Amino acid sequence: AQTVTQSQPEMSVQEAETVTLSCTYDTSESDYYLFWYKQPPSRQMILVIRQEAYKQQNATENRFSVNFQKAAKSFSLKISDSQLGDAAMYFCAYRSARGIQGAQKLVFGQGTRLTINP
Amino acid sequence: DGGITQSPKYLFRKEGQNVTLSCEQNLNHDAMYWYRQDPGQGLRLIYYSQIVNDFQKGDIAEGYSVSREKKESFPLTVTSAQKNPTAFYLCASSINHNTGELFFGEGSRLTVL
Repeated sequence: AQTVTQSQPEMSVQEAETVTLSCTYDTSESDYYLFWYKQPPSRQMILVIRQEAYKQQNATENRFSVNFQKAAKSFSLKISDSQLGDAAMYFCAYRSARGIQGAQKLVFGQGTRLTINP
Repeated sequence: DGGITQSPKYLFRKEGQNVTLSCEQNLNHDAMYWYRQDPGQGLRLIYYSQIVNDFQKGDIAEGYSVSREKKESFPLTVTSAQKNPTAFYLCASSINHNTGELFFGEGSRLTVL
């Protein structure tokens, strides 16, 4: 079974600075998808960024980018120019590429709580 | 506005009582999910449903039951057999394609006294 590990329960960063959240995963599969989800204090989770394992290029969404190291099974999230609205719990998640027509069964990490200091 | 509505947001129950959490979506999504969130453990999948009248057990289905009689609705019953029911419950939905994006409700916090 696949597992996802986030080793940083909490992180903090000064507003406008850059922070990196770590994620490692364990799988024997070669084709899969990785995600970062954000859960702000309002509790509604939203997708931040997605990476397909077959793509070598790291995904980027505005101030959010990932460092995907397939051989190391590492998938970190970098947030540039941190803003107060970035404060949230961040979850790393894995999805196998098998059963692509079916339900999206994601495996989540434990989460990292990010605090932004003004 | 399209989205997922969970109710109630907060629920208190006595030990031994069954309780049902509601989840309704108007996104026309085929698949729906229930996750349980505990501090330090992330989200764990309880049940999921790909289509109406069909559902599958997730990783921690014991003590829970679901139904999917309508596309829009996927209620979760926490039964008295669930040994540690106090938790935050999240409902989600998705289309049945390989996007990986789940759309979440705001959650329901169940406290068993």
